[in-house]
Amino acid sequence: QVQLQESGPGLVTPSETLSLTCAVSGASVSTDDFYWSWIRQPPGKGLEWIGYVFHTGNTNYNPSLRSRVTISVDTSRNQFSLKLNSVTAADTAIYYCAREKVAATTDWFDPWGQGTLVTVSS
Amino acid sequence: QSVLTQPPSVSGAPGQRVTISCSGSRSNLGAGYVVHWYQQFPGTAPKLLIYDNVYRPSGVPDRFSGSKSGTSASLTITGLQAEDGADYYCQSYDRSLNALYVFGTGTKVAVL
Repeated sequence: QVQLQESGPGLVTPSETLSLTCAVSGASVSTDDFYWSWIRQPPGKGLEWIGYVFHTGNTNYNPSLRSRVTISVDTSRNQFSLKLNSVTAADTAIYYCAREKVAATTDWFDPWGQGTLVTVSS
Repeated sequence: QSVLTQPPSVSGAPGQRVTISCSGSRSNLGAGYVVHWYQQFPGTAPKLLIYDNVYRPSGVPDRFSGSKSGTSASLTITGLQAEDGADYYCQSYDRSLNALYVFGTGTKVAVL
């Protein structure tokens, strides 16, 4: 059974960098069949795809966040990470990591981590 | 920044059929990209419910079904049950510059 678990600070100061890690168990991140993604959800609102990383280190980001986002993978630790810099209150959200199926059609996300709430506040 | 529009809420009595729509455009659903659906209970992560328009992952009850036509897609719950009360999101791909993967605005299903 594949499981993903997010970890990182729950409170980040405005203008600083948000850093989260997603530990993967039950599967290897070093697979050609999946990307490893981050998705966020502001409290009470909808879902926003942030970006993904492939085990080779290749990435793809939401254009609206591209200038501030870095997603990386650590195959030796079977985990991947998110960094979002210059955060503002608008970045307050539940951050989910998810496995993204590389599909011939359109990729989907399954499973998801439980999510971690990150609040941006001084 | 959702480019897929869903009704904010739908409701039905137990046993009834409810349908949730997902309306897109020529840059996503209308371009032929498929739709996936997720179910989310309060305080929990979304769970994949339907993929590639119509397929159910193992363990998803067959009362959930999906369809797609043109720029719209639908999720139907046939024989609504109390435990189906949740938020539902559609998801697809958008070839415009706004985003690659886009989610719907979300629909809350209330079981009366």
